[in-house]
Amino acid sequence: QLLESGGTVVRRGGSLRLSCVVSGFTFNNFAMVWVRQAPGKGLEWVSTIDGGGVSVYYADSVKGRLTISRDNSLNTVFLQMDSLRAEDTALYYCARLPAYNHGWGSDYFDLWGQGTLVTVSS
Amino acid sequence: QSALTQPASVSGSPGQSITISCTGSSTDIGFYNAVSWYQHLSGKAPKLLIFDVSRRPSDISDRFSASKSGNTASLTISGLHSGDEGDYYCTSYKTTNGLGFVFGTGTRVTVL
Repeated sequence: QLLESGGTVVRRGGSLRLSCVVSGFTFNNFAMVWVRQAPGKGLEWVSTIDGGGVSVYYADSVKGRLTISRDNSLNTVFLQMDSLRAEDTALYYCARLPAYNHGWGSDYFDLWGQGTLVTVSS
Repeated sequence: QSALTQPASVSGSPGQSITISCTGSSTDIGFYNAVSWYQHLSGKAPKLLIFDVSRRPSDISDRFSASKSGNTASLTISGLHSGDEGDYYCTSYKTTNGLGFVFGTGTRVTVL
């Protein structure tokens, strides 16, 4: 099970931290991702972090502003969101990649949370 | 990296089969067998339907099948019923402009 939290209304230029608490599997064996869906738009991959929290990857649209991290002792993955823009308004999902990292032969997302809504206001 | 191209909408009658295409390039779909498909029903979390081009998770009906040819992947839903109405997305692993994933533009499936 994956449970996201932290979504709220935030001013443009502001910051926010999303959390995703995981249960039911050995958390540090799996990479985790954030995927978002803006209102009326499709799904967009945002970021991935490997099982150990060492390797991280970002979409160009968020690079330098959003930071993914994880605390394996808390079974939690985070998304720190800084310098927020109107186009960051979206429902943010966390999901599991069923491998320790990208490119290990399991490049898909097999478990998803319900999402947490971030609204960036002007 | 541009999104993979899917038709905006596909419709069919109950019991019919429909096919959704997903067109990418030689640097994503054409290069990797890491194409997956997701069903996104209104108000629910996305659900994995297909991984590694054509493999189904154990809990997914065999009414869902998929394939790939060149730079285009396809998802077929057979025996269409009202519960299949929703949005469907393809995605591919990619290594150009950084490691990561690219999603398709999404297809709304309507059961007539």
